[in-house]
Amino acid sequence: GQNIDQPTEMTATEGAIVQINCTYQTSGFNGLFWYQQHAGEAPTFLSYNVLDGLEEKGRFSSFLSRSKGYSYLLLKELQMKDSASYLCAVMDSNYQLIWGAGTKLIIKP
Amino acid sequence: DGGITQSPKYLFRKEGQNVTLSCEQNLNHDAMYWYRQDPGQGLRLIYYSQIVNDFQKGDIAEGYSVSREKKESFPLTVTSAQKNPTAFYLCASSPTGGSGANVLTFGAGSRLTVL
Repeated sequence: GQNIDQPTEMTATEGAIVQINCTYQTSGFNGLFWYQQHAGEAPTFLSYNVLDGLEEKGRFSSFLSRSKGYSYLLLKELQMKDSASYLCAVMDSNYQLIWGAGTKLIIKP
Repeated sequence: DGGITQSPKYLFRKEGQNVTLSCEQNLNHDAMYWYRQDPGQGLRLIYYSQIVNDFQKGDIAEGYSVSREKKESFPLTVTSAQKNPTAFYLCASSPTGGSGANVLTFGAGSRLTVL
């Protein structure tokens, strides 16, 4: 079966750095996405990785290792508004998105 | 501003009733999707449509129906056959389906509660 694993919840301090991991086993691979979702709101797109390596976009970076079936989202200089759930999704060989359950990130002052 | 509008935001339904959730987009996207989100689970695909007048079942289509008569609109009907319909429903669209860098734009969601 296809599976995406992420930690259920993480806690970090305002101003710090946090890394949210995502491991996957899917039928083929056509890219990995990270979305941010505040409680009760729509998910919004953060990043897309299809080749190995690090993609940096401001305070957020995303890393991919296809051989290890592994990605992480790195958030720097954490702000209170970063408190949200972070969803990892992989596009399989049929271009269908397989979603992880999301990681709830709690930021403390 | 372009976006996706879902309505209603909150909906209560009695058992045995059908309800229809509205989804309208003005992004000129070809593909539209309906997902269901339950606590502790990933998003699950109910139905998707890549062009007008055509749609395909997702992983959990039983008890749901859709139509795609216009490019902008993709309503979802939750029928009485859906055994556990209480959930948060998300509509999304993308420029095209079936490609790699297919970024989804989501609506704000509709929360359905069955009484």
